[in-house]
Amino acid sequence: QVTLRESGPALVKPTQTLTLTCTFSGFSLATRKMGVTWVRQAPGKAPEWLALIDWDGDKYYSPSLKTRLTISKDTSKNQVILRMTNMDPVDTATYYCAQTTYFYGTGSREDSFDIWGQGTMVTVSS
Amino acid sequence: SYDLTQSPSVSVSPGQTASVTCSGDKLGDKYVSWYQLKPGQSPVLVIYQDRERPSGIPERFSGSNSGNTATLTISGTQALDEADYYCQAWDIYTVVFGGGTKLTVL
Repeated sequence: QVTLRESGPALVKPTQTLTLTCTFSGFSLATRKMGVTWVRQAPGKAPEWLALIDWDGDKYYSPSLKTRLTISKDTSKNQVILRMTNMDPVDTATYYCAQTTYFYGTGSREDSFDIWGQGTMVTVSS
Repeated sequence: SYDLTQSPSVSVSPGQTASVTCSGDKLGDKYVSWYQLKPGQSPVLVIYQDRERPSGIPERFSGSNSGNTATLTISGTQALDEADYYCQAWDIYTVVFGGGTKLTVL
């Protein structure tokens, strides 16, 4: 059974760096085609994709947030870490991690996000 | 950037069929996934690769995708299906979500 759990600070100040950890079980990032992605959802808004890391270390970022994001993995610990710099109140949201399985479909990558964590709420305020 | 457009809300009576649509330029050339979000719960994948149901998702959930529109269909809608539904697709190694549709079961 695949499970994921997000952890990190509930409150960060503007300009600070947010570090979130996704700890998972039921799969390994040492296994070909496995991946973990981060998605956030601000109150009343649609989900917004942030970043994805593959079993082979390939990384993908949202173009609009790329300069602020770093995704990394610790395969031995079954963890994926997301860092977001220069936090702003507009970054207040619930942050989710999810498991993906690499799928190359009709000319591009087309995975779905199969299993999600329960999310962690992050508030940015001074 | 690539945009996915959804109607903000859909209402349906219990037992009836609900259709939730997602529109995008040549969306039929991409694979679409659908997610169900209920307050206080984790998102749930209900359809992937346009029409495939993950294990554990009821058969009343189905999907299609052609032209510029993908459709999530819920047959025999139940009260527990009331939720926000979001479509999702990839565009050149970037993931895009639709704006979401609130399904109300009256």
